[in-house]
Amino acid sequence: NAGVTQTPKFRVLKTGQSMTLLCAQDMNHEYMYWYRQDPGMGLRLIHYSVGEGTTAKGEVPDGYNVSRLKKQNFLLGLESAAPSQTSVYFCASGRLNSGANVLTFGAGSRLTVL
Amino acid sequence: GQSLEQPSEVTAVEGAIVQINCTYQTSGFYGLSWYQQHDGGAPTFLSYNALDGLEETGRFSSFLSRSDSYGYLLLQELQMKDSASYFCAVYNQGGKLIFGQGTELSVKP
Repeated sequence: NAGVTQTPKFRVLKTGQSMTLLCAQDMNHEYMYWYRQDPGMGLRLIHYSVGEGTTAKGEVPDGYNVSRLKKQNFLLGLESAAPSQTSVYFCASGRLNSGANVLTFGAGSRLTVL
Repeated sequence: GQSLEQPSEVTAVEGAIVQINCTYQTSGFYGLSWYQQHDGGAPTFLSYNALDGLEETGRFSSFLSRSDSYGYLLLQELQMKDSASYFCAVYNQGGKLIFGQGTELSVKP
């Protein structure tokens, strides 16, 4: 039972390059989220999805795009990477349990933009 | 918009009790969650409150007052392994889940 899997775990990009982070979950969860974590900033929501084919903006969506073509996958794209996007990215998926949205997180993807 | 405030750090001794407070501002409030994160690893779910009152899960308890937009996480019988960052998070009816900036708990012997 893999839970939430993020690929890649590490990546170094040059300014202006593009890349896609993949998040896959095998728990049949409806909700999926992408967060970034920077020192002292906590977890900031980039984009999220409440079901297959849906996406919505979070707190810091600029410079990122997402897609949820399949229920189990949530892709985060950077079209033109900037040094300000250097961060640790966490994907999470969630289910409603007695009214609670309980998130399971992936291990994180560390991205460095030079 | 949504915002949450929690202390940046708390220190306590092994065996003691510590309370981490969280105040929030949001529309469409649905519930308040708590997560634990060790050394930048994957955050893990601890507790959730949708209604006013106390929820107890082993050594951890969480409290919510919807009228005060306030909650707290209570950790009892502190152990060294409880040293970690703790995040409160607000969930709204649209599915958005926003986290606070986290409280770093240091447990001393």
